[in-house]
Amino acid sequence: DIQMTQSPSLLSASVGDRVTLNCKASQNINKNLNWYQQKLGEAPKLLIYYTNNLQTGIPSRFSGSGSGTDYTLTISSLQPEDVATYFCFQYNSGPTFGAGTKLELK
Amino acid sequence: QIQLVQSGPELKKPGESVKISCKASGYTFTDYAMNWVKQAPGNGLKWMGWINTQTGKPTYADDFKQRFVFSLETSASTAYLQINNLNIEDTATYFCTIPGDYWGQGVMVTVSS
Repeated sequence: DIQMTQSPSLLSASVGDRVTLNCKASQNINKNLNWYQQKLGEAPKLLIYYTNNLQTGIPSRFSGSGSGTDYTLTISSLQPEDVATYFCFQYNSGPTFGAGTKLELK
Repeated sequence: QIQLVQSGPELKKPGESVKISCKASGYTFTDYAMNWVKQAPGNGLKWMGWINTQTGKPTYADDFKQRFVFSLETSASTAYLQINNLNIEDTATYFCTIPGDYWGQGVMVTVSS
């Protein structure tokens, strides 16, 4: 199985900060990676698909990048409503989620 | 609009079985595979596998090849997840989901003696 390692596991940031979340795969996943946001008590929501494509309706402050084994989700200017847990998900082979990064306000 | 509506919460004892449902509406049921995702309390997400809604063929992730059964009732646009011989570690919320980012609301299954 492909292992997905997210870092950091917990991130504290202030409103307006640029925030970077990381996801590292145990092998090349050929950009077959999505990012999800999950708020407490809700189902996950797709933010980014195929590494860098913004899902319809998602604010443009969210962006994704990466290739090979290393991927990044960036929030250009953190907003209070972005407090959530973020998961990466690879579907290159035997789909797997990362363990998540919990994003909180400082 | 596309909706996935799941059945209600379940409280079971170890060794029992549970069958939860996911009723789809707003699209042709056989157009999309149905995926299942597990989320244990305070934990992350785990992809359990998927079922081909045209053929009924299930595919299970390695951790879900024993005791877990995906099935369909195509005439009712409904997918099912059955878990047999429940244990404490099965306590979790189970989501159904289809491509395009449509999710059920999740079903909380609690296993307790």
